[in-house]
Amino acid sequence: EVQLVQSGTEVKKPGESLKISCKGIGYNFLNYGIGWVRQLPGKGPEWMGVIHPGDAQIRYSPSCQGLVTFSADKSITTAYLQWTSLKASDTAMYYCARQEPGGLLGNYWGLGTLVTVSS
Amino acid sequence: DVVMTQSPESLAVSLGEGATINCKSSQSVFYSSNNVNYLAWYQQKPGQPPKLLISWASTRESGVPDRFSGSGSGTDFTLTISNLQAEDVAVYYCHQYYSLPRTFGQGTKLEIK
Repeated sequence: EVQLVQSGTEVKKPGESLKISCKGIGYNFLNYGIGWVRQLPGKGPEWMGVIHPGDAQIRYSPSCQGLVTFSADKSITTAYLQWTSLKASDTAMYYCARQEPGGLLGNYWGLGTLVTVSS
Repeated sequence: DVVMTQSPESLAVSLGEGATINCKSSQSVFYSSNNVNYLAWYQQKPGQPPKLLISWASTRESGVPDRFSGSGSGTDFTLTISNLQAEDVAVYYCHQYYSLPRTFGQGTKLEIK
């Protein structure tokens, strides 16, 4: 069974760093991209970008470029989303989703990681 | 960026009736070389990730009731829900995966009247 298992809720202070994870289970992790989607409280989804673990190709949304870093560890089939200096405006739910051929974020999504940044 | 504009923002429909949600893209998401529209519809319920209902504008995902249908091409798309059930209460989003950055509509909240 295909699953994306995300790490748990985080509560951080502004300026702190954070790395959240998304573990792919039940499929060939190298054959599919992992997309990251942000959802601010009460708002719609926002595509942050995608990483292709097979060839390490990464695409960031212009709104996220330079603010976050995607990475992946093929040996443990896990993708990561990382911040070096969090802001209160980063408070959101973060989802990972498997990107299907053609670029569609398909049927496989993680349950989300809630990140709260507050002093 | 391709801007996706949904209408209406919210919709209240009686059980058993039909609902129509519209989505307009600021540029075409139709790729002529393979004759497909790169447009998807998602359903999101509180506390859950988005669930894919329709891909390629009109292809219903496995397990999605046939009450849900998608139509349209180019820049104008529609999600139609017939015979509304209580479990259809959710927010619905259109999404283009034609170009980068991928973008979503702002959402349509569907409620029971």
